[in-house]
Amino acid sequence: GGIITQTPKFLIGQEGQKLTLKCQQNFNHDTMYWYRQDSGKGLRLIYYSITENDLQKGDLSEGYDASREKKSSFSLTVTSAQKNEMAVFLCASSPGGEAEQFFGPGTRLTVL
Amino acid sequence: QEKVQQSPESLIVPEGAMVSLNCSFSDSASQSIWWYQQHPGKGPKALISIFSNGNKKEGRLTVYLNRASLHVSLHIKDSQPSDSAVYLCAVSTYGSSGNKLIFGIGTLLSVKP
Repeated sequence: GGIITQTPKFLIGQEGQKLTLKCQQNFNHDTMYWYRQDSGKGLRLIYYSITENDLQKGDLSEGYDASREKKSSFSLTVTSAQKNEMAVFLCASSPGGEAEQFFGPGTRLTVL
Repeated sequence: QEKVQQSPESLIVPEGAMVSLNCSFSDSASQSIWWYQQHPGKGPKALISIFSNGNKKEGRLTVYLNRASLHVSLHIKDSQPSDSAVYLCAVSTYGSSGNKLIFGIGTLLSVKP
């Protein structure tokens, strides 16, 4: 088995601040994902990466940057935090293809 | 753009009841359909997936897929209080740029002892 670790668990920032969320997986999976989960809106894909140094935009990429410097880690940057993007950010990984996605516990973002 | 809709929004049942959750999707060319379970404060966990028309049974779970009507359902037999969670339906779209899941907003299930 493996595990996905997301840091920090809680992130509090000021409006307009640049904030970075980190994700590590030890499954040795090729593909990694970042989702945003808002209450009443389900999970929406922000960015994903099918291999090291690859980046693909999801439906919600505006206002975010991502980085996959190595296979085991995938980071997400909120370029200018806004109050309307307070949500839980979930990282996931998958071996590839249509295989199951394994999720981390999430980072809860609060913007003051 | 694929759309995934789930019903009901929430459901309260007594322990031991059969639970039925519904999901409709918009693209008949979509590939696998997944059901995920999410407990409060945790990430979603995959329960079961289906690709072909018909049904698939795993333990207390049965999933039915009808591609013609763009509908999939999840049935939980002999529900337990530990089944209380949000259930997310997700449709897989797989192409040259990898696999993406489109999620519904979920059904909140509460199983009362």
